[in-house]
Amino acid sequence: SQTIHQWPATLVQPVGSPLSLECTVEGTSNPNLYWYRQAAGRGLQLLFYSVGIGQISSEVPQNLSASRPQDRQFILSSKKLLLSDSGFYLCAWGGGNYGYTFGSGTRLTVV
Amino acid sequence: QKEVEQDPGPLSVPEGAIVSLNCTYSNSAFQYFMWYRQYSRKGPELLMYTYSSGNKEDGRFTAQVDKSSKYISLFIRDSQPSDSATYLCATVPMQGGKLIFGQGTELSVKP
Repeated sequence: SQTIHQWPATLVQPVGSPLSLECTVEGTSNPNLYWYRQAAGRGLQLLFYSVGIGQISSEVPQNLSASRPQDRQFILSSKKLLLSDSGFYLCAWGGGNYGYTFGSGTRLTVV
Repeated sequence: QKEVEQDPGPLSVPEGAIVSLNCTYSNSAFQYFMWYRQYSRKGPELLMYTYSSGNKEDGRFTAQVDKSSKYISLFIRDSQPSDSATYLCATVPMQGGKLIFGQGTELSVKP
């Protein structure tokens, strides 16, 4: 069966520090992968999606970047965090007509 | 106008009540509809999935799609405190692609 792993679960980082969040998928090949951010009490904001290795599409211009170095690995990064980068970050795989499977999320607080 | 509109709530009901959660969408090309449940500090999980118009039932949950009015609903019978969560509707065009999510409705079922 397919599983998705996302870590860390919680992260507190100072303003200006770098960020790296990792997501890996098991049990499937060539998945579509997505990074979402969810602010408190708000909906899901699609940040990046990838249909294959090295293929990244950005939905919203921001302080973040994404990379897909391997088929089942998706990384969200920042060189210098801003206070506004705080939120709940979710990785997901899947796509098309059958919905997504989400990871357990990373709660990022920038202080 | 957002492609999918959902009242964010919050919605509070007593245990045992029938809950009705609703979304409207603007694009008649949407064919696949989903409901996700998200517990606090967790990733969303797929709850119900329907194609085109009609009803789909799974235990205490019923998903309903009315394509003529572009209206999708989720009904929860005999609601339980464990149903307290945020419910997100989602849809995707017939051609596939990225899911479009509603804002999410926060539901609280009081014992």
